[in-house]
Amino acid sequence: AQTVTQSQPEMSVQEAETVTLSCTYDTSESDYYLFWYKQPPSRQMILVIRQEAYKQQNATENRFSVNFQKAAKSFSLKISDSQLGDAAMYFCAYRSGGGSEKLVFGKGTKLTVNP
Amino acid sequence: DTEVTQTPKHLVMGMTNKKSLKCEQHMGHRAMYWYKQKAKKPPELMFVYSYEKLSINESVPSRFSPECPNSSLLNLHLHALQPEDSALYLCASSQEPGRGAKNIQYFGAGTRLSVL
Repeated sequence: AQTVTQSQPEMSVQEAETVTLSCTYDTSESDYYLFWYKQPPSRQMILVIRQEAYKQQNATENRFSVNFQKAAKSFSLKISDSQLGDAAMYFCAYRSGGGSEKLVFGKGTKLTVNP
Repeated sequence: DTEVTQTPKHLVMGMTNKKSLKCEQHMGHRAMYWYKQKAKKPPELMFVYSYEKLSINESVPSRFSPECPNSSLLNLHLHALQPEDSALYLCASSQEPGRGAKNIQYFGAGTRLSVL
């Protein structure tokens, strides 16, 4: 079974600075999708960014980018120019491209942004 | 527009009550999901509806009964719940079910359920 590990339960960053959240996963599959979701105190899970395993180019969405290292099974999220609104719980998630359609979540990283 | 709407936002119920949670999406998505999330934990999948048919039930107790009346609406009927069922219940939808690139799940804001 696939597993997703987020080794940083909590992280903090100063406003306007850059922070990187770590995620590693374990799979024997070659076809899969990776996601970062953000869950602020308002509770809604918001899709931040996604990466298809077959794409070598790292995904970017405005201030959010990923460093996808397929061989190392690593999928880190970089947040540039951090804003107070970035404070949230961040979940890394995996979905198989050929097996189960279920999302496998990591345990999450709580990000605090200091003014 | 990636909006999934859940009502109510908060619900308090006794163990003998019957209540329902509602989820709506108007994005034309053909897969809808119910998740349960306990505090400081990731969401746990409960049910998946694909093309309005139940495709996955993650061995959820029968006191939770899902219903998909049409492609835009998903209900979760609750009966005889236990205090340990108190949690945030999240609904999600995706353009298509399955394993392809169109299974990107978008979530609602959830219903905070308290069982007394």
